[in-house]
Amino acid sequence: QQQVKQSPQSLIVQKGGISIINCAYENTAFDYFPWYQQFPGKGPALLIAIRPDVSEKKEGRFTISFNKSAKQFSLHIMDSQPGDSATYFCAASITGNQFYFGTGTSLTVIP
Amino acid sequence: KAGVTQTPRYLIKTRGQQVTLSCSPISGHRSVSWYQQTPGQGLQFLFEYFSETQRNKGNFPGRFSGRQFSNSRSEMNVSTLELGDSALYLCASSPGQTWGNEQFFGPGTRLTVL
Repeated sequence: QQQVKQSPQSLIVQKGGISIINCAYENTAFDYFPWYQQFPGKGPALLIAIRPDVSEKKEGRFTISFNKSAKQFSLHIMDSQPGDSATYFCAASITGNQFYFGTGTSLTVIP
Repeated sequence: KAGVTQTPRYLIKTRGQQVTLSCSPISGHRSVSWYQQTPGQGLQFLFEYFSETQRNKGNFPGRFSGRQFSNSRSEMNVSTLELGDSALYLCASSPGQTWGNEQFFGPGTRLTVL
């Protein structure tokens, strides 16, 4: 059973465009929602994270939007660049270190 | 600080064999988590160790086991390997004590079972 559902599976965006990746969860006990970025041959690296008491968090070109009532959260990458081409994972955790990951989104930014 | 290191980086085994993977966390981190990454399933949580004790466990069969040593280094063992065990095994470390710990991932060990 997939605790966190992620879409789309793959995404192609033009340079300068907005990339949007969505995730949904069922367990209302989750209280930490990070996004990870993974390049080929590397382990995932934390990109940005949010708590459920905040509806939006922005760090540079990356924004998380969080909708607690809908149990959904999304990652927006503004002004997407070819260097952003990677696989992105959303995740959810309950007060600790057991994380449930989405299945990943392969993002390709075309120059 | 040095990052999370995993050894070996690549392994090829045959069905029925067993394998041991090693993870050295970031200095000072007491929590080590293990994940299995496959193209279709994404990252699946195996287990987490904190101060030498298994604190959380995912839904994997008993063939998958782990341990943590007093220096926080961790090993993961898979016995009676099956073809479906072929995957990238990732280790992640974090301080472990409080909410919302950032997990730092190693580069992974690529296991191929023939």
